[in-house]
Amino acid sequence: QVQLQESGPGLVKPSETLSLTCTVSGGSINSFYWSWIRQPPGKGLEWIGYTYYSGSTNYNPSLKSRVTISIDTSKNQFSLKLSSVTAADTAVYFCARISSSRGYGMDVWGQGTTVTVSS
Amino acid sequence: QSVLTQPPSASGTPGQRVTISCSGSSSNIGSNTVNWYQQLPGTAPKFLIYSNNQRPSGVPDRFSGSKSGTSASLAISGLQSEDEADYYCATWDDSLNGPVFGGGTKLTVL
Repeated sequence: QVQLQESGPGLVKPSETLSLTCTVSGGSINSFYWSWIRQPPGKGLEWIGYTYYSGSTNYNPSLKSRVTISIDTSKNQFSLKLSSVTAADTAVYFCARISSSRGYGMDVWGQGTTVTVSS
Repeated sequence: QSVLTQPPSASGTPGQRVTISCSGSSSNIGSNTVNWYQQLPGTAPKFLIYSNNQRPSGVPDRFSGSKSGTSASLAISGLQSEDEADYYCATWDDSLNGPVFGGGTKLTVL
């Protein structure tokens, strides 16, 4: 059974870069899309971007200038970098698997990690 | 503002049937299938419905989905107290070449 686990600092200073890693266990990272989604406090879900196992990526246009998503298939991990963060980037960050055979739905999710942007 | 439009709240009493709507456009719901997620307080979203009306294993058949044109809906029959949660619709958007979400509907079981 595939499981995802986010890791990274819970506190980031304004203007710095937020860095998170998602570790995939119980299955291969190959042949799927892997995504980052965030949820600000009390608000809805926002797609950040995704990477395919081949390394190709696509980002939400609203964040594209600040986001980099990369994948390391040898470690079964993929990562998120969000630069020049502000308080508006404070959120719970989730990683998820996108399954093309299931309507491109996010069928496996990490538990989420809270990131607070504050000095 | 979310790309997909959902009512912010819905409610029902135990045993009732409730529906949650989701409205989009030709570039998203109109040309792709719809997925639904259930998010209990303080937890990650759970994959509830995919490809408009398919249930992943383990999801009770009380949950059903449908789609027509640029709108979709989630129905929950035999409402139970544990169904109290936030529900999100989502689909692929051809303009974005990525997923889009609804703003979420908070379901209260009275």
